[in-house]
Amino acid sequence: AQSVTQLGSHVSVSEGALVLLRCNYSSSVPPYLFWYVQYPNQGLQLLLKYTTGATLVKGINGFEAEFKKSETSFHLTKPSAHMSDAAEYFCAVRLGDSSYKLIFGSGTRLLVRP
Amino acid sequence: EAGVVQSPRYKIIEKKQPVAFWCNPISGHNTLYWYRQNLGQGPELLIRYENEEAVDDSQLPKDRFSAERLKGVDSTLKIQPAELGDSAVYLCASSPLAGPNEQFFGPGTRLTVL
Repeated sequence: AQSVTQLGSHVSVSEGALVLLRCNYSSSVPPYLFWYVQYPNQGLQLLLKYTTGATLVKGINGFEAEFKKSETSFHLTKPSAHMSDAAEYFCAVRLGDSSYKLIFGSGTRLLVRP
Repeated sequence: EAGVVQSPRYKIIEKKQPVAFWCNPISGHNTLYWYRQNLGQGPELLIRYENEEAVDDSQLPKDRFSAERLKGVDSTLKIQPAELGDSAVYLCASSPLAGPNEQFFGPGTRLTVL
């Protein structure tokens, strides 16, 4: 079965520190991978996505993620955390080009300490 | 461009009562999704529409849940009767015509069943 695992339901970093949010997936076909951010009382906003091609993907707000097929991972990073990055982050997988269904991980809440 | 609109934003009801949620997708988006997001979890797909047709309702609990998208634009999701376990955020998303494109999410309706 296809699934998404986000390691760590809560991650706390200091402002200016590196942000690393982990995502591992399982898929029987080449996946499309996504990171979404959800601010309190708001819907999900797409941060970045991997479909094909370059495995290092850059998104909005300075975030980037690298698709590593051998590790079945798609970890999200940002070199320097900002207070405004505090939110919940969801990794999601779509099972290839013909699939519409997004399978989400359980989310990681990012806390940024001043 | 206006985003996905949902109403109400919050709803509190007693168990066994009916409840309905409304969604207006982004103009021109033919595909519409309803998701349920339980506390501390990622969204899970309930139903997907292509225009007026429900093309994937396999995850919709049909004994108490129903949905419609009569004119292929806005949509209503109904629960009757509501149960305590239905407390969640109900998210609507839409995507453009043709192909498994990016999904744009609305702010959601937070349902509390007492």
